[in-house]
Amino acid sequence: EAQVTQNPRYLITVTGKKLTVTCSQNMNHEYMSWYRQDPGLGLRQIYYSMNVEVTDKGDVPEGYKVSRKEKRNFPLILESPSPNQTSLYFCASRAQAGYEQYFGPGTRLTVT
Amino acid sequence: DAKTTQPTSMDCAEGRAANLPCNHSTISGNEYVYWYRQIHSQGPQYIIHGLKNNETNEMASLIITEDRKSSTLILPHATLRDTAVYYCIVRVPYGQNFVFGPGTRLSVLP
Repeated sequence: EAQVTQNPRYLITVTGKKLTVTCSQNMNHEYMSWYRQDPGLGLRQIYYSMNVEVTDKGDVPEGYKVSRKEKRNFPLILESPSPNQTSLYFCASRAQAGYEQYFGPGTRLTVT
Repeated sequence: DAKTTQPTSMDCAEGRAANLPCNHSTISGNEYVYWYRQIHSQGPQYIIHGLKNNETNEMASLIITEDRKSSTLILPHATLRDTAVYYCIVRVPYGQNFVFGPGTRLSVLP
């Protein structure tokens, strides 16, 4: 089954404790991205990647890092999480020539 | 990417057609209209897209006006499971970003 998976689905952590949210897709898609969703602000793009070793900032990249060492994986790294990064995070992927973007199930992160 | 305007919320009776409007008066010639929906807090789901012709798939129909300044997503026989937030997005194909606005919260009522 074609899908985008994220782990963990739920995470509660404390300020300053480094964490990684993994994202993996099994569709051989070139394009992957991360979004965060907050009440009243909609979905906002954090980072995206056009292919392996090619990443760029989205609209709200501050406080986040990403890497794309393999085509299927696109982890989101929070080096020093802060409470304002409490949010619902979605990973997405799309074929380079595709119109449809596939979203993962989401990761609900709480930073205390 | 062009900005879109959608009603904040709509109700629809179960079994009836749901017609969700979207205004995109500043759309440019190479921009497509996409529709996604998000059920509760799940990941957004692609519904349909189009450039200037009307489109239909197993989920919905997309009607785009001749001047392309507005469009309507039609769910022909809405069910309770169609209750969701529906997003209208206008963008060039292969662009880097999907800009999700607040969308329309559709409530399908029994």
